[in-house]
Amino acid sequence: GAGVSQSPRYKVAKRGQDVALRCDPISGHVSLFWYQQALGQGPEFLTYFQNEAQLDKSGLPSDRFFAERPEGSVSTLKIQRTQQEDSAVYLCASSLASEQYFGPGTRLTVT
Amino acid sequence: AQSVTQPDIHITVSEGASLELRCNYSYGATPYLFWYVQSPGQGLQLLLKYFSGDTLVQGIKGFEAEFKRSQSSFNLRKPSVHWSDAAEYFCAVGTEYGNKLVFGAGTILRVKS
Repeated sequence: GAGVSQSPRYKVAKRGQDVALRCDPISGHVSLFWYQQALGQGPEFLTYFQNEAQLDKSGLPSDRFFAERPEGSVSTLKIQRTQQEDSAVYLCASSLASEQYFGPGTRLTVT
Repeated sequence: AQSVTQPDIHITVSEGASLELRCNYSYGATPYLFWYVQSPGQGLQLLLKYFSGDTLVQGIKGFEAEFKRSQSSFNLRKPSVHWSDAAEYFCAVGTEYGNKLVFGAGTILRVKS
């Protein structure tokens, strides 16, 4: 079956622009996670949804970051007024139980 | 707060040689432990996981890992490395079943022929 998909795969934004990153989880997966992976680092947790409820957003680095999952399926991570330090790969993962399945990520470059 | 340390940033092994990647975690209770592999441009793929029970766990692609509570370690091993194993490997800890993961910084594995 289809895995987790993310779009776009690559995004270049000028500093100050808003961006929206999309995640399509595996069908039926209740939990959805967003992680940020800076160059040369491991992924860092951003936020977590169970169905449409955002249960943990403790990892969002600033109020410029916003995530939603309105119908409990597709999720969007939005970054307002992008800064150079936002350049990273944004990974989405979904899970039904204990194992998280990761998408290929969106590489965001802020110039 | 929980943390994960992977002491080796890069490791180079010869094809056919054995491999051990180190992972140490910090967490007060019994952790949920994972090893993931990431190839360039790819997402993370789960190799194996430990929740409870037998401390030696088997995973995909011939990998295994051993949980040692006394050493707070969860080292990944493979008896004979193949060139296709070249990738970046991440150890991760979860504090609750199905909850967020905390990752180490990763170890890049190079395989020389």
